[in-house]
Amino acid sequence: SQQGEEDPQALSIQEGENATMNCSYKTSINNLQWYRQNSGRGLVHLILIRSNEREKHSGRLRVTLDTSKKSSSLLITASRAADTASYFCATVTSGTYKYIFGTGTRLKVLA
Amino acid sequence: DGGITQSPKYLFRKEGQNVTLSCEQNLNHDAMYWYRQDPGQGLRLIYYSQIVNDFQKGDIAEGYSVSREKKESFPLTVTSAQKNPTAFYLCASTGAVNSPLHFGNGTRLTVT
Repeated sequence: SQQGEEDPQALSIQEGENATMNCSYKTSINNLQWYRQNSGRGLVHLILIRSNEREKHSGRLRVTLDTSKKSSSLLITASRAADTASYFCATVTSGTYKYIFGTGTRLKVLA
Repeated sequence: DGGITQSPKYLFRKEGQNVTLSCEQNLNHDAMYWYRQDPGQGLRLIYYSQIVNDFQKGDIAEGYSVSREKKESFPLTVTSAQKNPTAFYLCASTGAVNSPLHFGNGTRLTVT
């Protein structure tokens, strides 16, 4: 399977705390993307980081990318109950249209 | 409003029957995708299509078939050969390779 791995599989934190989730992938990539999925719904794109970037910010989101280790992390700062969702990383295998998703992290933010 | 429409939201079928899931987009995207998601799991790629009249197998294509006769539409047929078809099916599209995917809200298929 080409599917990437994410850890932790599940994370439970208090409102106001930071949440960090990690993603590892297997192929050579052009970029890495993070998505959010609310229960029973489709995925929504959050942020994209190119292979020549090491860090990117968007609001309360901070993404890092280490291509030498084939890994990325997503940090959500000052979490809110509304951040409760599953988070997935996705990569596009270079030279193809094939988007491969990680196994996901289920985040629960307690009010 | 532009988007992806998957219908129906819930679908129930008897074992041994083929069933077709609908996916329509009005985003003018060339590429479309079908993923399967099992409870607590990630997304696994079934089929994708870069352009009309062309499609490629993903990682778990066995027991599924697709067609891409129109740019807007990418229906997925779950055949009786699919051993464990009960799952949540997600359709997605993108306008350019490496750009973010836009997702529909999924179809939950239950086969008994």
